Amino acid sequence: DTGVSQDPRHKITKRGQNVTFRCDPISEHNRLYWYRQTLGQGPEFLTYFQNEAQLEKSRLLSDRFSAERPKGSFSTLEIQRTEQGDSAMYLCASSPGLAGDDTGELFFGEGSRLTVL
Amino acid sequence: GENVEQHPSTLSVQEGDSAVIKCTYSDSASNYFPWYKQELGKRPQLIIDIRSNVGEKKDQRIAVTLNKTAKHFSLHITETQPEDSAVYFCAASKRYPGGGADGLTFGKGTHLIIQP
Repeated sequence: DTGVSQDPRHKITKRGQNVTFRCDPISEHNRLYWYRQTLGQGPEFLTYFQNEAQLEKSRLLSDRFSAERPKGSFSTLEIQRTEQGDSAMYLCASSPGLAGDDTGELFFGEGSRLTVL
Repeated sequence: GENVEQHPSTLSVQEGDSAVIKCTYSDSASNYFPWYKQELGKRPQLIIDIRSNVGEKKDQRIAVTLNKTAKHFSLHITETQPEDSAVYFCAASKRYPGGGADGLTFGKGTHLIIQP
C-alpha cells in the first residue's frame, strides 16, 4: 500500500462543465475526508465519511458538490456546473477510524488540482 | 463552528535559531490540536499533535504547548535547519471518546523560511 491516491492529479475544464475526482484511501481505513485548498490558505474541510456513511458536510459544500463512497472504499467528489471560484486543490485524506487504532492523524493524498477557465 | 487563527503568516529565521508559530481557536469543545507541514507541491504531513489533557509535548527539536484557558497553542522548532523550510498549518477538532471526530479546521498557514 503506497498511501492515499487521487486521480486525476490535474484537471483543466471550462466553466459550466462537470468534473469528478476519485480518491482511493489507505486499505482498511474507515474514515475518508475531502478538503479544498487554495493558494496561500489552509485546507478547508468539505465532507467526511465513516465507511459508506457521509457523516458531516461543511457549509462550503454547495448543492453543486456531491461526494459518494458507495462501498466504503474509494470515494468520488463531483462538481457540477463548475465556476471559476471552484479552482483549487482538492485533497483527500483517510484515517483508520477505529478508536484503538486512530491516533487522529490524517493521511493526505497528493491532491487533484482543478483549473476552471 | 470552529475558527482557527494562525500567525505569523511568514517567518524568516537564521539557521540554528528557534522558530515559534502561534494559533488560537474559538470552540472550547475542541480537544485535539495537530500541526502539519507542507512542502512546496507536496501533501500535508503530520509532525506533532497534542490533546487537551496535556499542556506540552516534545519530539526531538519540535514541541507544542497548549493553554486551554486562553484557547491558544504554539509550535516551537529549535535549532532550525534548511529542511525545516515549509508551510506549517495548525488545526483543531473535537474527538469523541467512542472514536468519532469532527473534521479538522486548519489555520491559514505560516511560511517558515530558514536563512543559511
